[in-house]
Amino acid sequence: SQELEQSPQSLIVQEGKNLTINCTSSKTLYGLYWYKQKYGEGLIFLMMLQKGGEEKSHEKITAKLDEKKQQSSLHITASQPSHAGIYLCGADMARQLTFGSGTQLTVLP
Amino acid sequence: DGGITQSPKYLFRKEGQNVTLSCEQNLNHDAMYWYRQDPGQGLRLIYYSQIVNDFQKGDIAEGYSVSREKKESFPLTVTSAQKNPTAFYLCASSIWGDNEQFFGPGTRLTVL
Repeated sequence: SQELEQSPQSLIVQEGKNLTINCTSSKTLYGLYWYKQKYGEGLIFLMMLQKGGEEKSHEKITAKLDEKKQQSSLHITASQPSHAGIYLCGADMARQLTFGSGTQLTVLP
Repeated sequence: DGGITQSPKYLFRKEGQNVTLSCEQNLNHDAMYWYRQDPGQGLRLIYYSQIVNDFQKGDIAEGYSVSREKKESFPLTVTSAQKNPTAFYLCASSIWGDNEQFFGPGTRLTVL
C-alpha cells in the first residue's frame, strides 16, 4: 500500500519565522491534498496539487509538488499564531485518501 | 449554509456498550467516509459509502458497523467488539470520484 511520511512530526517556531513541512510518498502521487486541523476539530482543506512541478499559494502558505511527483512541501512565510495546528497531507489512492501522520506546528508569540 | 455535522462532540460510554455516532451532510454529496484519528497516527479509514444502501470496509473496519439509508446520513456504530474504541472520530463527504473531502468537526469518544 502507498505510504506517506511527513516530516517533521512536530515543529516549534517563533512568530515571523518561515517554515517547511514535507510529505514524501513511496509511490507516484496522482493527487496530493493538504489539510489543516486545530486540535480536537475537523480538517480544513488547504490545497490540492496534481501536476508535477505544480505550485499553489493561499495567503502566506505555498504548496509544491515536485517534478517526479513523489514529494510535496508546504511552506509558511512569516508564521503567525493563527498558523498553529496539525498539518496533514493526503494522497489520492484508488478513490480514497491515504493520510500522513501529521505535523504539529506551534508558533510562539 | 451547506456543511457536514457530527454529534455529539464528546461521548462517554462504559466498556461493553455499543454506541452510535451521528454524521449528517447537506452538501448533496454521494460519498461519505468515517475515519479514526489517534495521536501520532494520522487518519485511518473505517468505512466508506459511495451511494445509498451501499458501503465498503476501510482499513480498520473490525468492531465497527455503518448504515446508509439516506444520502444525507451515515451513522457509525462502535460495537463492544472494538478492542480500543477511545479515539477521535471524523466523518467526511465528497462528490464521488473527487477526493476533495469535506470534514465534520469530529466526535471524541471515551470508553471508561
